[in-house]
Amino acid sequence: DVKVTQSSRYLVKRTGEKVFLECVQDMDHENMFWYRQDPGLGLRLIYFSYDVKMKEKGDIPEGYSVSREKKERFSLILESASTNQTSMYLCASSLLAGDQETQYFGPGTRLLVL
Amino acid sequence: AQTVTQSQPEMSVQEAETVTLSCTYDTSESDYYLFWYKQPPSRQMILVIRQEAYKQQNATENRFSVNFQKAAKSFSLKISDSQLGDAAMYFCAYRRWGTSGSRLTFGEGTQLTVNP
Repeated sequence: DVKVTQSSRYLVKRTGEKVFLECVQDMDHENMFWYRQDPGLGLRLIYFSYDVKMKEKGDIPEGYSVSREKKERFSLILESASTNQTSMYLCASSLLAGDQETQYFGPGTRLLVL
Repeated sequence: AQTVTQSQPEMSVQEAETVTLSCTYDTSESDYYLFWYKQPPSRQMILVIRQEAYKQQNATENRFSVNFQKAAKSFSLKISDSQLGDAAMYFCAYRRWGTSGSRLTFGEGTQLTVNP
């Protein structure tokens, strides 16, 4: 089974702090994604990566950056956390398999910024 | 840009009954994929069912089936013989055809409650 893990289930940070959210997948997937999930808005894509050191902006990249130094690990960075970044963050990964590509999700990190 | 709309924020169903969750989408493309994902409380999101737009036959996975109406841009999920374990948030999602690694566009979600 594909396993996607996220470093924390719950996180509380203060405004202005630098926050790191880490995601690790164990199935050698090329593609990795970061989403945020908010009530009534569904999931929105922040950034994704299709290879090591490669990244592309999603729909809401402002206030975030990412890092992918190793294939299995994709980090989301909040350079200076703000209260409007309080949310659930979901990581996903998928194999570069064209038509058969399916995204597998991690358990999520619920971030509260005070 | 593609959009996905789920107009039912909440739905409820009695155990063993059938429920249908609605999803509409907007795209100018002729080929694409559609998905239903399930997110149980405090558990990971999992894929329920997928549909390729070029296929006329509706996808089925055990008790889960879809009604795909391409012309109407509608993609509803039917859950038959509902079970308590079906209680979850359900998301409809769209992906462009043939582009690996391309993004999923999600709807707002429908919270399904199953009553015993």
